[in-house]
Amino acid sequence: LAKTTQPISMDSYEGQEVNITCSHNNIATNDYITWYQQFPSQGPRFIIQGYKTKVTNEVASLFIPADRKSSTLSLPRVSLSDTAVYYCLVVNSNSGYALNFGKGTSLLVTP
Amino acid sequence: GAVVSQHPSWVICKSGTSVKIECRSLDFQATTMFWYRQFPKQSLMLMATSNEGSKATYEQGVEKDKFLINHASLTLSTLTVTSAHPEDSSFYICSASDGLAGMRGSEQFFGPGTRLTVL
Repeated sequence: LAKTTQPISMDSYEGQEVNITCSHNNIATNDYITWYQQFPSQGPRFIIQGYKTKVTNEVASLFIPADRKSSTLSLPRVSLSDTAVYYCLVVNSNSGYALNFGKGTSLLVTP
Repeated sequence: GAVVSQHPSWVICKSGTSVKIECRSLDFQATTMFWYRQFPKQSLMLMATSNEGSKATYEQGVEKDKFLINHASLTLSTLTVTSAHPEDSSFYICSASDGLAGMRGSEQFFGPGTRLTVL
């Protein structure tokens, strides 16, 4: 499983854009980059997934450069409710594979 | 969307007793279910992978005789913590996969977790 590295914590004010970068130097050809969000005492929630270039949904954008060795999760105009831990994972394209959660990035949004 | 439930959401038990936690996929058939454990301020740690109708595969360091996993149907997996001790107190989370590959990759659907406290 490809190892991921992301900042332990980040702080932001409400309304700002937050970019969390994750490095995954050993990503394999059939691996996807997936981000999960976890609030305290809850299970993780899927945010976004991508393979290359840019992916956008109603919650976030994911930027992946051509070499795919890193990725950036972009949260536009964060609110207090976006305070959570964000996990970057590299997952195999075949289903049924366990997820390898790293330490995640603890995002704190303040007024 | 796919929904996974867990029961109970929290449980307190005495040391030496056994506790069963249920994980259900409510609107899809889960060919594979995973059990994770999360201690305070730490990340999720995979305990075991279970496929319906077969024995679970445990991660290194996880005692299979202590953490009994049963995946008897495509919608239900159970984790039984036998002879629980205070060090087993943790947040237990299950996830389920519907076995469909493709552009979604291996997206998994997580349950809300079960908080176990062993006195």
